[in-house]
Amino acid sequence: SAVISQKPSRDICQRGTSLTIQCQVDSQVTMMFWYRQQPGQSLTLIATANQGSEATYESGFVIDKFPISRPNLTFSTLTVSNMSPEDSSIYLCSAENTEAFFGQGTRLTVV
Amino acid sequence: AQSVTQLGSHVSVSEGALVLLRCNYSSSVPPYLFWYVQYPNQGLQLLLKYTSAATLVKGINGFEAEFKKSETSFHLTKPSAHMSDAAEYFCAVSAFEGGKLIFGQGTELSVKP
Repeated sequence: SAVISQKPSRDICQRGTSLTIQCQVDSQVTMMFWYRQQPGQSLTLIATANQGSEATYESGFVIDKFPISRPNLTFSTLTVSNMSPEDSSIYLCSAENTEAFFGQGTRLTVV
Repeated sequence: AQSVTQLGSHVSVSEGALVLLRCNYSSSVPPYLFWYVQYPNQGLQLLLKYTSAATLVKGINGFEAEFKKSETSFHLTKPSAHMSDAAEYFCAVSAFEGGKLIFGQGTELSVKP
């Protein structure tokens, strides 16, 4: 089964800046997903990253705030733009056909 | 549309006691159901998944779950709790294998010595 690698594992960022999170799968997958886990809460899907087309965003999430790239079948990035302290969360990447389903996540703190 | 409800945000059991974490789902299509565990400051680990094969699913660490369509439930059980089981547990549903997951609110399991 495939393995997902996500980086950075954690970061502390200044408000107003942007952070790009990378997700690499060691085999080709059709569907990749980005989730957010706010402190003490469950996971919420941000968007589905589609290869060769724009990402599909869930209600409450917009491309300007969370632009996503999916240049090939093994890689995706999520950018958290113009960050505020409310964006402090764990961001997780997942992919279909992987036993673990999830990367280890990126713990983001915005100060 | 799909949704998941986990009954009880906190469950406390004594070491050696039965663990029962409740999950009810709503789905307009036959669901795929999952249980994940998250230890403090760690990522998600898949415990088990139901993909329309056997209704009783055995997972890692002695956990199992039973899919009951009539009750729209997928409760997680373990016969004897261990201190190391203390963690956050999430139930999730998907419309198909490999699809996006809809998560429940999570249940924090505490195990008392």
